[in-house]
Amino acid sequence: QVQLQQWGAGLLKPSETLSLTCAVYGGSFSGYYWSWIRQPPGKGLEWIGEINHSGSTNYNPSLKSRVTISVDTSKNQFSLKLSSVTAADTAVYYCARGAFGTTFGVVIRYYYYMDVWGKGTTVTVSS
Amino acid sequence: SSELTQDPAVSVALGQTVRITCQGDSLRSYYASWYQQKPGQAPVLVIYGKNNRPSGIPDRFSGSSSGNTASLTITGAQAEDEADYYCNSRDSSGNYVVFGGGTKLTVL
Repeated sequence: QVQLQQWGAGLLKPSETLSLTCAVYGGSFSGYYWSWIRQPPGKGLEWIGEINHSGSTNYNPSLKSRVTISVDTSKNQFSLKLSSVTAADTAVYYCARGAFGTTFGVVIRYYYYMDVWGKGTTVTVSS
Repeated sequence: SSELTQDPAVSVALGQTVRITCQGDSLRSYYASWYQQKPGQAPVLVIYGKNNRPSGIPDRFSGSSSGNTASLTITGAQAEDEADYYCNSRDSSGNYVVFGGGTKLTVL
């Protein structure tokens, strides 16, 4: 059974860089897209970005200028860096495994889902 | 378009059927996935693809799709189904992940 274990600093000052790492245990690292998602207090889920085993990334356009996601396949880990944090970056941060699928019928339909999630890391930005 | 729209809140009487909807242009190409989130917990995948349930998800959860609208149906809602539900997909280009704003389900 695949498990994601995440860790990183939970308290930051404004302008610092958020750094989180997620380790993948019990499953293959290749063939999936590995995402970071965050959830501000009392609000919904916001996708930050993703990476695959070869290092190909996609980022949320609203965060792209501050986000870097990297991968270390030798350790089955991927990491998030978010620079120049402010109080608006205070949130629970999750890592998750994403997968694609295709259904063939009269019309080809695609699907994407995140089936394994980390437990979340609370990050607070405060001076 | 990169937006998925959900009703903020829905309620259902215990044992009755409830439908939670999600609208967005990308849903014409992508089936939505659905997640259940209880307070203080990480989201849990409940439906993906045309109508697939991960192992351990009760069969009272089902999914459907029509045009630009995806639906999550809970047939015979239980007290433990009270939670926030989020839909999720890729955007129309396929390059980005998008989430709906979430629907808070109350079981009366």
